[in-house]
Amino acid sequence: SQTIHQWPATLVQPVGSPLSLECTVEGTSNPNLYWYRQAAGRGLQLLFYSIGIDQISSEVPQNLSASRPQDRQFILSSKKLLLSDSGFYLCAWGAGPYEQYFGPGTRLTVT
Amino acid sequence: EDQVTQSPEALRLQEGESSSLNCSYTVSGLRGLFWYRQDPGKGPEFLFTLYSAGEEKEKERLKATLTKKESFLHITAPKPEDSATYLCAVQAGANDMRFGAGTRLTVKP
Repeated sequence: SQTIHQWPATLVQPVGSPLSLECTVEGTSNPNLYWYRQAAGRGLQLLFYSIGIDQISSEVPQNLSASRPQDRQFILSSKKLLLSDSGFYLCAWGAGPYEQYFGPGTRLTVT
Repeated sequence: EDQVTQSPEALRLQEGESSSLNCSYTVSGLRGLFWYRQDPGKGPEFLFTLYSAGEEKEKERLKATLTKKESFLHITAPKPEDSATYLCAVQAGANDMRFGAGTRLTVKP
């Protein structure tokens, strides 16, 4: 069966510091991978998606970036965090244009 | 613009009191409508996919239905463990999934 991991689970970072969140998927090959952000009381906002290694599409212009160095690894990064980057970050995988399966999430607080 | 609206924002039920959650959508070329359950501090858990009007799916006390403009998640005789936020999403493009803000359900014993 497929499993998706995210780490860290929680993170507190000062404004202006760098960020690296990691997501890995087990039990499937060549998955579509997604990064979402969920603000309190709001729906999920798609940030990036990837259909293959080094193939990244950005949905929302911002100071975040994503990379996919391996088939089942997806990384979300920032060089300098803003207060507005605080939120719950979710990684998901999917097999084509069908349902997506989510990881446990990372709670990021920028202070 | 593609849009997903869920109502009510919050719903409080007594154990055993059946009700329905609504998800209305406007999208050109619906490829699928999805329901998820999300517990506090956790990632969404997939429940159902519906592809065409008239389709229904069931799982335990939950039943999802779909029309051309909206979907309902019916909860029959809910239990306290059904308390969660229920999210609706629509797939408009190949990698374009739009989520509603969710309905926060509380079931009191």
